[in-house]
Amino acid sequence: KQEVTQIPAALSVPEGENLVLNCSFTDSAIYNLQWFRQDPGKGLTSLLLIQSSQREQTSGRLNASLDKSSGRSTLYIAASQPGDSATYLCAVRRTEETSGSRLTFGEGTQLTVNP
Amino acid sequence: EAGVAQSPRYKIIEKRQSVAFWCNPISGHATLYWYQQILGQGPKLLIQFQNNGVVDDSQLPKDRFSAERLKGVDSTLKIQPAKLEDSAVYLCASSRMGWSREQFFGPGTRLTVL
Repeated sequence: KQEVTQIPAALSVPEGENLVLNCSFTDSAIYNLQWFRQDPGKGLTSLLLIQSSQREQTSGRLNASLDKSSGRSTLYIAASQPGDSATYLCAVRRTEETSGSRLTFGEGTQLTVNP
Repeated sequence: EAGVAQSPRYKIIEKRQSVAFWCNPISGHATLYWYQQILGQGPKLLIQFQNNGVVDDSQLPKDRFSAERLKGVDSTLKIQPAKLEDSAVYLCASSRMGWSREQFFGPGTRLTVL
């Protein structure tokens, strides 16, 4: 059974800092990994999707890396801003088609960026 | 392009009552998902539809939860009867045909069972 762990559970940083959020998964047989952002009372917004054959993806100040063999992914946020404050979730999708496209989520990292 | 729509946004009920949630996916998205997110946890898939057929309902508590997707567009998720532990946010997501496609989420329905 796939388990996804995110460390740390919460993080508070001053504005302008570069930071790294970590995600680990127990079963390396994944198809892809997705990072989401969730604001309080809102749904999930997809940030980056990395296919299993890729090593990283970039979007603006965000960079996500994937090391499938070791079961790890990191989300790097450059020059953090107060607007980045949210909960960040990672989710993995399994390879077996018979399991559908179920995403298995971590519990998230709650990020606070202080002005 | 309009996003995934869900209603109601909030619902408060007493235990043993029934409740239903509605979801309208992004136009053209054949695959629809219902997730349950308990406070402090990541979302957990309850059921996945491909058009109007069920692909995965292995984590759906079928003794009290049911879902349907008539005509392969809108979907409803029902809980009958509700328990205290059903208090959660229920998220609907949709994606284009194909199991590897990116999922887009609605704002969710926050259910409180008293």
